[in-house]
Amino acid sequence: EAAVTQSPRNKVTVTGGNVTLSCRQTNSHNYMYWYRQDTGHGLRLIHYSYGAGNLQIGDVPDGYKATRTTQEDFFLLLELASPSQTSLYFCASSSREGQDTQYFGPGTRLLVL
Amino acid sequence: GEQVEQRPPHLSVREGDSAIIICTYTDSATAYFSWYKQEAGAGLQLLMSVLSNVDRKEEQGLTVLLNKKDKRLSLNLTAAHPGDSAVYFCAVTNMGYKLTFGTGTSLLVDP
Repeated sequence: EAAVTQSPRNKVTVTGGNVTLSCRQTNSHNYMYWYRQDTGHGLRLIHYSYGAGNLQIGDVPDGYKATRTTQEDFFLLLELASPSQTSLYFCASSSREGQDTQYFGPGTRLLVL
Repeated sequence: GEQVEQRPPHLSVREGDSAIIICTYTDSATAYFSWYKQEAGAGLQLLMSVLSNVDRKEEQGLTVLLNKKDKRLSLNLTAAHPGDSAVYFCAVTNMGYKLTFGTGTSLLVDP
C-alpha cells in the first residue's frame, strides 16, 4: 500500500515564526499535494507539484511556500506564521493528476499563537 | 471554478440503519467523482470512485449514485455499523486537474 509520512505530527509556534512541514512518499508517485483542513471548509489545496523542482499554485497559496526537492520529498514553508494558519495540514501523493487515487499522510496539526 | 457543497455536516444513525450523504457540484464538465473516509487522527482514504458514465456503483455495503442532470452525487451506507463512524468527503474533478473536496460529513453510528 502507498505510504506517505509527515513530520512533525504536531507543532506549536508563535506569530511571525518560521515553520517547515515535511512530507515523504515512497510510492514513486509524480504528484504531491499540500492541503489544509478547516472546519466548514473541508480540504483546500495550498500547493502541489508534479515532480522534483516543480511547483504549482493551489487555491489558498497566500502565506505559504513549497519546495519539491526530490520525487519523494515535498516541503511546506510558513516563513511568517500567522494565527490564521492554525490548521490541520495534509500531504498527499498520486501517480497522475485528477482521476487518480490520492494517498494521504496522517496530518500535521499546527497551532500558531 | 468548481464549487462543491456537501450535506449534512453531521449525521447520527443507529447501527443497521442507512446513512446518506449528498454532494452537489457546479461544473458540468466534472467527470470523476470520489468518496473518501477519514478516521480519527488519520488521513483520508479512498472508499470508491466513479466516472461520469456511471450512474450507480455498489461495493461492500456502499452505494454511490450520480445524477448528472442535477449535478448531485450521493453515498449511501446501507447498513451502518460503529466502525463506519468517521468523517466522509466527496471529491470531484473535470479530469486532468486537481480534486475539489466537499466540506465533510461527520458520521456517528450508535451501537
